[in-house]
Amino acid sequence: QSVLTQPPSASGTPGQRVTFSCSGSSSNIGSNTVNWYQQLPGTAPKLLIYFNNQRPSGVPDRFSGSKSGTSASLAISGLQSEDEADYSCAAWDDSLKGWVFGGGTKLTVL
Amino acid sequence: QVQLVQSGAEVKKPGASVKVSCKASGYTFTSYDINWVRQATGQGLEWMGWMNSNNGNTGYAQKFQGRVTMTRDTSISTAYMELSSLRSEDTAVYYCARSEQLVRDFDYWGQGTLVTVSS
Repeated sequence: QSVLTQPPSASGTPGQRVTFSCSGSSSNIGSNTVNWYQQLPGTAPKLLIYFNNQRPSGVPDRFSGSKSGTSASLAISGLQSEDEADYSCAAWDDSLKGWVFGGGTKLTVL
Repeated sequence: QVQLVQSGAEVKKPGASVKVSCKASGYTFTSYDINWVRQATGQGLEWMGWMNSNNGNTGYAQKFQGRVTMTRDTSISTAYMELSSLRSEDTAVYYCARSEQLVRDFDYWGQGTLVTVSS
């Protein structure tokens, strides 16, 4: 059971906007920044969003992140077929003194 | 370009140990930390621990304390993760991932190493 809670699946059609939620607690999301990782089928995770809402170089501005209290969200606008992947959130946990992840949300582009 | 290249797949018997390597290139190895993250089939990512590549300091997730050892050889820019007393539940893909420091994001990942534990 993952420390951070994410819905297991989401779907959308090309061009649509989809959002993913990530719920934690005061010891992780509530007191530290959130990172998001994209994992295409059969590949290693790739950093998508860091410091809650910052995009690494090369990540399209269709991807955006936000945080409020003990929850965080990832949004993808202008959905494309190549966005079909697993999306995982992560945060440092002050109580566990380690990184915790969500179970990941599998995005299907219909 | 930054690359983390991991060693190949392993098959181990229960009770054995496995040592996975992660060779870094494209940056100064000692300027970044190395984390190890694993993922069982169909499951989420799980952080195992961290190593400061400069001084060798380590920090392990409580779940793996006593079973995991992270080391490095700076002369060949390579990090290692050894997991002992393997059980079937340790069957997973193991990833190394670079971070600027312990509480920073993982900006580059290795390709993953499948470790299968089976009698």
